[in-house]
Amino acid sequence: SQTIHQWPATLVQPVGSPLSLECTVEGTSNPNLYWYRQAAGRGLQLLFYSIGIDQISSEVPQNLSASRPQDRQFILSSKKLLLSDSGFYLCAWNRDRGGEKLFFGSGTQLSVL
Amino acid sequence: DQQVKQNSPSLSVQEGRISILNCDYTNSMFDYFLWYKKYPAEGPTFLISISSIKDKNEDGRFTVFLNKSAKHLSLHIVPSQPGDSAVYFCAASGHNDYKLSFGAGTTVTVRA
Repeated sequence: SQTIHQWPATLVQPVGSPLSLECTVEGTSNPNLYWYRQAAGRGLQLLFYSIGIDQISSEVPQNLSASRPQDRQFILSSKKLLLSDSGFYLCAWNRDRGGEKLFFGSGTQLSVL
Repeated sequence: DQQVKQNSPSLSVQEGRISILNCDYTNSMFDYFLWYKKYPAEGPTFLISISSIKDKNEDGRFTVFLNKSAKHLSLHIVPSQPGDSAVYFCAASGHNDYKLSFGAGTTVTVRA
């Protein structure tokens, strides 16, 4: 069966510090990978998605970047965090396009102080 | 621009009664619609979906209705149970889309 791992679960970082969140998927190959963010009291905003190694699509211009160094690994990064980067970050995967359901990780609660 | 809208941020319902959650969309290219359930500090989990060739899909206590002409869908939960208290997200996608567009969510509280 397929599983998705996302860590850390909670992170408190000072403004201006770097960020690296990691996500890995097991039990499948060539998944589509996604990073979503849920800001306080708001819905799920798509940040990045990837349909293959080194193929990254950015949905919203912002202070973050994503990389996919391996088939089942997706990394969300920032060189200098802003207060507005606080939120609940979710990694997800699916197999195909066209409404294929997403499977989400357990999320990372990021607080930038 | 929000293409999927859930205009009711919250819903309170008595245990055993029906919960009705609504969702509207603006993109006529959307072909697939999904509902997700999310507990605090956890990732969303898939609940039920419907494609545009249908107007109803049922799975146990959960039924999704789709009205394409009105660009509207709804989720019915009958009967509502305390464990149904969560945030529910509506999502939509087109046939060639890789991504799902989500609504802002509706927080459901089931009262004993």
